[in-house]
Amino acid sequence: KAGVTQTPRYLIKTRGQQVTLSCSPISGHRSVSWYQQTPGQGLQFLFEYFSETQRNKGNFPGRFSGRQFSNSRSEMNVSTLELGDSALYLCASSFGPTDPNTEAFFGQGTRLTVV
Amino acid sequence: AQSVAQPEDQVNVAEGNPLTVKCTYSVSGNPYLFWYVQYPNRGLQFLLKYITGDNLVKGSYGFEAEFNKSQTSFHLKKPSALVSDSALYFCAVRDGNTDKLIFGTGTRLQVFP
Repeated sequence: KAGVTQTPRYLIKTRGQQVTLSCSPISGHRSVSWYQQTPGQGLQFLFEYFSETQRNKGNFPGRFSGRQFSNSRSEMNVSTLELGDSALYLCASSFGPTDPNTEAFFGQGTRLTVV
Repeated sequence: AQSVAQPEDQVNVAEGNPLTVKCTYSVSGNPYLFWYVQYPNRGLQFLLKYITGDNLVKGSYGFEAEFNKSQTSFHLKKPSALVSDSALYFCAVRDGNTDKLIFGTGTRLQVFP
């Protein structure tokens, strides 16, 4: 079956712009989580959506937002981009809280570069 | 709060030798533990998980992990390392209340020919 699909794979944006990243989870998965990965900070949890509701949120400013659609696809948006937002953004899908013992599957990530 | 620690930033091992990548955890309740591997500019790939049952868990690519409740550890092991095993390895614990995956800082494994 198809894996987690993230689009686009690469993005270059200018400071002050906004960006939207997309994630299509594995069919049947209803939970989508987003992570930011940087060399200095490692993997940082952004937020998690389940059945179109945000269940958890990490410690990121309000410029970072997300949503989930009825087909479980998710988008995350970053407004007023800063140089420090340059990172690999990873999306993970899983069945959700009803199956905590199942693994999450990750997409290839979107590499965002802010110049 | 749930957490995992990976005490080594990097592990170096010669090809053919056994390897161990360390992970310790802190959880309240049942531990749901995972290992993931990441190759350059790629997402994370699932290797194996511990839920309940046998303390030795077997996973993909010949990897296994040993769960030790008394030492709160979940070390990743492989009997014979390959150069192609060189990658970044992450230990993770799932928070049973929130379903959030909490990752360690990662350990870079370097296997030398």
